[in-house]
Amino acid sequence: GENVEQHPSTLSVQEGDSAVIKCTYSDSASNYFPWYKQELGKRPQLIIDIRSNVGEKKDQRIAVTLNKTAKHFSLHITETQPEDSAVYFCAAGGNEKLTFGTGTRLTIIP
Amino acid sequence: GAVVSQHPSRVICKSGTSVKIECRSLDFQATTMFWYRQFPKQSLMLMATSNEGSKATYEQGVEKDKFLINHASLTLSTLTVTSAHPEDSSFYICSASQEGHTQYFGPGTRLTVL
Repeated sequence: GENVEQHPSTLSVQEGDSAVIKCTYSDSASNYFPWYKQELGKRPQLIIDIRSNVGEKKDQRIAVTLNKTAKHFSLHITETQPEDSAVYFCAAGGNEKLTFGTGTRLTIIP
Repeated sequence: GAVVSQHPSRVICKSGTSVKIECRSLDFQATTMFWYRQFPKQSLMLMATSNEGSKATYEQGVEKDKFLINHASLTLSTLTVTSAHPEDSSFYICSASQEGHTQYFGPGTRLTVL
């Protein structure tokens, strides 16, 4: 089955700086890569996703890049703000089922 | 759009009792619903996938007789934890997808078994 690794497990950045979270996956059949943001005690919220026919996607301060050959994808958050503090999960899947990474706890330092 | 509700949000029960959790897609028809379990500060672990009108597909290591899943309609799936024990205490989250891959999550149910 699919195996997703996520790094780093914790990340602290100064407000206004950029944050990058990286994930690798093992199953070359995976073709869908969403990123979720989860605040403490809340549901995961989809923030951006990318499909395997696209190499990069951007939505305001958030971008995701995908390298199918290397089987890795990354989340980039620019101009970070305190409200970006949360746990971020990457996931990889095909045929609807998703395998999640272990999560990154992002802390934005004011 | 794409709102998923879950009920109850929190439940405390005695060991040996059964607990039912409901997951509803409020504004779309969910062809597939998923049940996850999340321990504190850990990732989402998929327990099972259910399609409306058919039996759920359980992940390896998940006891299907203990975690009963019913997906009776395109907007409702239920998870019943039977004969709950303290080790079943966890955060249970459902998600629903309409087509393709995008999953929308419910708010979760925190189960505490005494």
